[in-house]
Amino acid sequence: EPEVTQTPSHQVTQMGQEVILRCVPISNHLYFYWYRQILGQKVEFLVSFYNNEISEKSEIFDDQFSVERPDGSNFTLKIRSTKLEDSAMYFCASKSGNSPLHFGNGTRLTVT
Amino acid sequence: AQKITQTQPGMFVQEKEAVTLDCTYDTSDPSYGLFWYKQPSSGEMIFLIYQGSYDQQNATEGRYSLNFQKARKSANLVISASQLGDSAMYFCAMREGGATDSWGKLQFGAGTQVVVTP
Repeated sequence: EPEVTQTPSHQVTQMGQEVILRCVPISNHLYFYWYRQILGQKVEFLVSFYNNEISEKSEIFDDQFSVERPDGSNFTLKIRSTKLEDSAMYFCASKSGNSPLHFGNGTRLTVT
Repeated sequence: AQKITQTQPGMFVQEKEAVTLDCTYDTSDPSYGLFWYKQPSSGEMIFLIYQGSYDQQNATEGRYSLNFQKARKSANLVISASQLGDSAMYFCAMREGGATDSWGKLQFGAGTQVVVTP
């Protein structure tokens, strides 16, 4: 069964550094999302992306965050200058039409 | 205000028993959908079951069933014949609105940790 792939599974970075989290959505999916889950807390919506542009973003998704679909397969989340509070599990998800979201296995980001 | 409320932070259940996980929701949108996801200790999010607000029948998927009570705004997950591999965190989530893109913007509850014991 096709799946959403995220790399790396764990990323450690120093505060203030830029980090790029990578995702390969399921190939025939058109809608792409990033969510995050701070340890022990709820899963939170960050951003949705469709037709090569952001369709919706949450309050969390400020100017430090950006998303890109640089080619036909990858979908990336960039955090420009990481803060300690950005430490979380980041999930990429994709879907086609009115179908449930398929989540990747997540990237655990640790900011030190 | 909380859109999704899961009041049970944790539950123990014996193998082969059934377990019900509570979920209540709050929305004024007539078109919405409710999802349950499973998150094992390895961290991935696994889709289990979906119920649309206009669906007449309660959703079922194998050992999972959703007890949808629209008037009470509840969407409880029932896992029948629990197995050791069911030990995980379970999240209830909701999408609001009928637009295709809204199906991906989910609001999650706090989750219920289920531990299945032999």
